[in-house]
Amino acid sequence: EAQVTQNPRYLITVTGKKLTVTCSQNMNHEYMSWYRQDPGLGLRQIYYSMNVEVTDKGDVPEGYKVSRKEKRNFPLILESPSPNQTSLYFCASSPSPQVYNSPLHFGNGTRLTVT
Amino acid sequence: GENVEQHPSTLSVQEGDSAVIKCTYSDSASNYFPWYKQELGKRPQLIIDIRSNVGEKKDQRIAVTLNKTAKHFSLHITETQPEDSAVYFCAATGYSSASKIIFGSGTRLSIRP
Repeated sequence: EAQVTQNPRYLITVTGKKLTVTCSQNMNHEYMSWYRQDPGLGLRQIYYSMNVEVTDKGDVPEGYKVSRKEKRNFPLILESPSPNQTSLYFCASSPSPQVYNSPLHFGNGTRLTVT
Repeated sequence: GENVEQHPSTLSVQEGDSAVIKCTYSDSASNYFPWYKQELGKRPQLIIDIRSNVGEKKDQRIAVTLNKTAKHFSLHITETQPEDSAVYFCAATGYSSASKIIFGSGTRLSIRP
């Protein structure tokens, strides 16, 4: 089944403890991206990648890192999580590196709580 | 920077009536406008999209209209049903924004029985 898989679905951690949220897609998509969803703010882009080894900042990149060493994987890294990073996170992929050509396929989300 | 404003933030309609959600974008170079539906506890999923060379697109009970001059686009749902209850997001992107997609803040649609 074609899908975007995120892990874990739920994560509770403490301030400053490094964590990684994994994202993998099996559709051979060029484009991958991370979003955070907060009430009243919609979906805000954190980072995106148009291809292997190519990553760029979105609108809210502070406090996050990403890497794209393989086409299928795009992990999100929080080196030193803080409570303001408590949010619902979505990974998404698209066949085309130019997303004005094709829609996004979202993962099931990761609900992160930082205490 | 680029911005997409979405209204209303919440909308309640009687089952069977129509619902309209409106979005305004700031980047005149935007040329692709998708709409995503997010049911409670689930991921956003594309329901319809429109490109700038088209003024209107329909798919059964849903339709999207685009006014490039005014930089407005709208989602229309007719004959609403309980399963239409969800949060709806509009988005805009285009060649000038490379691979950045700007989303609206979302509309929570509730269908009253």
